[in-house]
Amino acid sequence: DQQVKQNSPSLSVQEGRISILNCDYTNSMFDYFLWYKKYPAEGPTFLISISSIKDKNEDGRFTVFLNKSAKHLSLHIVPSQPGDSAVYFCAASDGGGGADGLTFGKGTHLIIQP
Amino acid sequence: EAGVAQSPRYKIIEKRQSVAFWCNPISGHATLYWYQQILGQGPKLLIQFQNNGVVDDSQLPKDRFSAERLKGVDSTLKIQPAKLEDSAVYLCASSSRDGKLFFGSGTQLSVL
Repeated sequence: DQQVKQNSPSLSVQEGRISILNCDYTNSMFDYFLWYKKYPAEGPTFLISISSIKDKNEDGRFTVFLNKSAKHLSLHIVPSQPGDSAVYFCAASDGGGGADGLTFGKGTHLIIQP
Repeated sequence: EAGVAQSPRYKIIEKRQSVAFWCNPISGHATLYWYQQILGQGPKLLIQFQNNGVVDDSQLPKDRFSAERLKGVDSTLKIQPAKLEDSAVYLCASSSRDGKLFFGSGTQLSVL
């Protein structure tokens, strides 16, 4: 039973345009959500997070939106750059924040085309 | 600041053999995690240590997997005997006091 779902295995976006990566979850106890970015042959690195008490968090080119009623979150990257090409994992926790008990989605491979 | 160190980077073994992975977390990080990432899947937590004590090992296949963190710093994860379905990247991670998770580069295991 997948509690965190990323239904798009891959996404191709032109450089300079907006990239939107989606994530759905089923566990209503999740209260903290994170996005990780992974390059080949490297471990995932933290990108941005959001607590369930917020509906938006912004950090530079990256914005995460949370819709609790729909159990849906999305990551927006504007403008997309070639270095953004990577696999993006959505993760969720019911621990009130922090690194414990993270459940990850399967990831979305983002490809930025020149 | 040095990151999470893991070795080896790659390991190829035959089924029924045993294998061990080593992890050195970021200095000062009390919490250490081992994750398994099968191709096409997200990382799955196997075991979590707080200093040298186990906090969560509910998803560790204990009939063949074992892990220890004897002095609360380095950790080893062992598989004995390995099965074909154990082929995956094994990621070690440690977390800072503010709850951020830092991953190592992983050990890619191929079981033939």
